[in-house]
Amino acid sequence: GESVGLHLPTLSVQEGDNSIINCAYSNSASDYFIWYKQESGKGPQFIIDIRSNMDKRQGQRVTVLLNKTVKHLSLQIAATQPGDSAVYFCAENKGRGSTLGRLYFGRGTQLTVWP
Amino acid sequence: DAGVTQSPTHLIKTRGQHVTLRCSPISGHKSVSWYQQVLGQGPQFIFQYYEKEERGRGNFPDRFSARQFPNYSSELNVNALLLGDSALYLCASSLGTGDEKLFFGSGTQLSVL
Repeated sequence: GESVGLHLPTLSVQEGDNSIINCAYSNSASDYFIWYKQESGKGPQFIIDIRSNMDKRQGQRVTVLLNKTVKHLSLQIAATQPGDSAVYFCAENKGRGSTLGRLYFGRGTQLTVWP
Repeated sequence: DAGVTQSPTHLIKTRGQHVTLRCSPISGHKSVSWYQQVLGQGPQFIFQYYEKEERGRGNFPDRFSARQFPNYSSELNVNALLLGDSALYLCASSLGTGDEKLFFGSGTQLSVL
């Protein structure tokens, strides 16, 4: 099965609320993680990444948290907007020995933001 | 600045035919990766090319092949198409010098009838 998975396939939130999208990974050798947003008919769009030597990284309205103890990754979106509605994927590299340019994706979480 | 560009955007083929998909990376990026995304799933790695050489291959049959040109653009070829090859084919580029951040194009939607 896939090593990167998501706890919830769908998530619905009210506009202005904070969203939390979770991801579990099984490969302890993975040292690079990345979140993508994919809107219908488009390719995945980079949101934020994090290396395993960090626990937290912040971007504009987004924060990624990494818990290596339980192999858990989360994406927090502050003040969620209707434009945030999309499928969100987490991906991992499975360690520095893996092929550069090869990422392992989970199934994705569909985020729907209600006005 | 132009991002990763792919052509064509949509393609319809019949079983047994072959197809060639094209990708131009972001200017300055030397690495190109190809992914297949079946509806409802995350992208699956097919190939990675760097400096015109294949550096990685996913679990895909030999019907799938690719190449990278001196200008770093790339082609993905699929022979003897099967119905199951229907998917969104994504190209991603990166600097290729240890930078693992991939930037994706909008993909080519391939339908095999």
